[in-house]
Amino acid sequence: SQQGEEDPQALSIQEGENATMNCSYKTSINNLQWYRQNSGRGLVHLILIRSNEREKHSGRLRVTLDTSKKSSSLLITASRAADTASYFCATDRIGNTPLVFGKGTRLSVIA
Amino acid sequence: DTEVTQTPKHLVMGMTNKKSLKCEQHMGHRAMYWYKQKAKKPPELMFVYSYEKLSINESVPSRFSPECPNSSLLNLHLHALQPEDSALYLCASSQEPGQHTEAFFGQGTRLTVV
Repeated sequence: SQQGEEDPQALSIQEGENATMNCSYKTSINNLQWYRQNSGRGLVHLILIRSNEREKHSGRLRVTLDTSKKSSSLLITASRAADTASYFCATDRIGNTPLVFGKGTRLSVIA
Repeated sequence: DTEVTQTPKHLVMGMTNKKSLKCEQHMGHRAMYWYKQKAKKPPELMFVYSYEKLSINESVPSRFSPECPNSSLLNLHLHALQPEDSALYLCASSQEPGQHTEAFFGQGTRLTVV
């Protein structure tokens, strides 16, 4: 069963705006990762945040993690049309299990 | 080389056919994975190989048979598939099993069963 649940399921914004996606999960985790997938293609790793971290930045990406609420958010600032893709959070549970993906958010950035 | 290469990119097969999907990585990763992804759904784990040995089988039907001939290669043998098996099959690898680093994905094989 899916570990993570993203919301919203779909998001449409104008170029230049910020996009925020949320992920909730159910069990204790080692880390949480965000991946991006262009239509029908492979997934690309964006960022990993460990369970003892609260915030992480990478370029225009900002990820937060709240382990007390079992939730994470991905913020993409100053979005571009090229950011149009599906974004998935993925977690691995304590006990060295492989990645389990959430349902994903489909982001459309309109030029 | 940070690529995971999957072949073929597209495959159409009949329900009585036998075919194989191939995956290759040269990053020295010791964990390799097969995922299945239906349209507008997240990837679902099928198999995990750890140091060339099958470590996880997520109750996948026996018509899917994985094989890891060496540390760089991962195959998925297909036989007697059903139309509902049509999906994007993704191969991934990561550095060490259980070390929770990023996974590298191939571009997938788009499989259609007719």
